[in-house]
Amino acid sequence: DGGITQSPKYLFRKEGQNVTLSCEQNLNHDAMYWYRQDPGQGLRLIYYSQIVNDFQKGDIAEGYSVSREKKESFPLTVTSAQKNPTAFYLCASTRETSTDTQYFGPGTRLTVL
Amino acid sequence: RKEVEQDPGPFNVPEGATVAFNCTYSNSASQSFFWYRQDCRKEPKLLMSVYSSGNEDGRFTAQLNRASQYISLLIRDSKLSDSATYLCVVGTLSGNTPLVFGKGTRLSVIA
Repeated sequence: DGGITQSPKYLFRKEGQNVTLSCEQNLNHDAMYWYRQDPGQGLRLIYYSQIVNDFQKGDIAEGYSVSREKKESFPLTVTSAQKNPTAFYLCASTRETSTDTQYFGPGTRLTVL
Repeated sequence: RKEVEQDPGPFNVPEGATVAFNCTYSNSASQSFFWYRQDCRKEPKLLMSVYSSGNEDGRFTAQLNRASQYISLLIRDSKLSDSATYLCVVGTLSGNTPLVFGKGTRLSVIA
């Protein structure tokens, strides 16, 4: 089946630890995105990548880092510098950046204790 | 001014009712428009694209008004299963910028 996978579905970490969230797609899409969603709030863009080995900061990149070494994969690291990391993290992909439909993975719910 | 604005709701409507949501966008260069649906604690999923001529998919009708810079979503004969948050999404060709998501309008259909 074609689609976007994120793992794990739920993740618990202690404060001060870095944690990496996985996002993989087999849709052959060029562009990938990471969003954060807090309860009752909209999506906020963290980072996006239009092509392998290139990525841009979104609206709330501080405290996060990404890499795009392969077209299929766009992992997100939540660092200890992120002040309030507990949230629902969504990964998405599109064929191209600006106007194409975005497809989302099922999300990872991160809780920092 | 926010790029994409939606009334957050909630809209509480009885089963069978017709409900309409509007969404305004600020960038006149916007070229693509979508409605997404997001269920509680799930990922957003594409409901429908919005074309200049308007489009209909069963009980759902989407319209675009470029002059006034708004898009609308009409749901007829509401079902309990329509209860969700509906996200308005807008894209522009300039600068390779990602799609912009509204914060969503929450709909509750009650029996």
